[in-house]
Amino acid sequence: DAGVIQSPRHEVTEMGQEVTLRCKPISGHNSLFWYRQTMMRGLELLIYFNNNVPIDDSGMPEDRFSAKMPNASFSTLKIQPSEPRDSAVYFCASSFRIGGAGELFFGEGSRLTVL
Amino acid sequence: AQSVTQLGSHVSVSEGALVLLRCNYSSSVPPYLFWYVQYPNQGLQLLLKYTTGATLVKGINGFEAEFKKSETSFHLTKPSAHMSDAAEYFCAVSDQGNTPLVFGKGTRLSVIA
Repeated sequence: DAGVIQSPRHEVTEMGQEVTLRCKPISGHNSLFWYRQTMMRGLELLIYFNNNVPIDDSGMPEDRFSAKMPNASFSTLKIQPSEPRDSAVYFCASSFRIGGAGELFFGEGSRLTVL
Repeated sequence: AQSVTQLGSHVSVSEGALVLLRCNYSSSVPPYLFWYVQYPNQGLQLLLKYTTGATLVKGINGFEAEFKKSETSFHLTKPSAHMSDAAEYFCAVSDQGNTPLVFGKGTRLSVIA
């Protein structure tokens, strides 16, 4: 299997622009997670899905952030409008189970820089 | 809610020396505990995990960790450090495997030749 695939790997944009990050989970996994990594706050869980349904989005920082999972093989994280403080590495991860009793597999991340 | 504290944001050891990375957790129910490793510009990879059973868990690359309930700890060790072990290490916890993983802030391991 190719693993969790994220795109783009790097994104540089200007404040106010819309950013869309994409994720393809491992086939057969039914849980998908979006994490954000910064030096100051470490790894933060933004939102997670189970069987394509959003379960908990309490980690989404503001209404500017939204996430969708239209089918089992694709998810997006959108930021509109983007701000410099959104600069971070965004990771997508998938698993057989929510709690990681099955291993959590991470993508290589999308590094976002908002100028 | 569960939480993880990793003591020391940066640990430096000599090649061949013992590696000890500390992790303490907080959980209201029996925890599932994990260690992940992150190499530069890559995602996280699972090193080892504790769910139930034997409290000493062995992982990849010679790492192991021991679950100590009385100390609420899950420290990661390796007897002899190798240059290739230089990376960021994250401890994580889940409540009985039913909640998403909560990660510590990470410990950067440097290995000196």
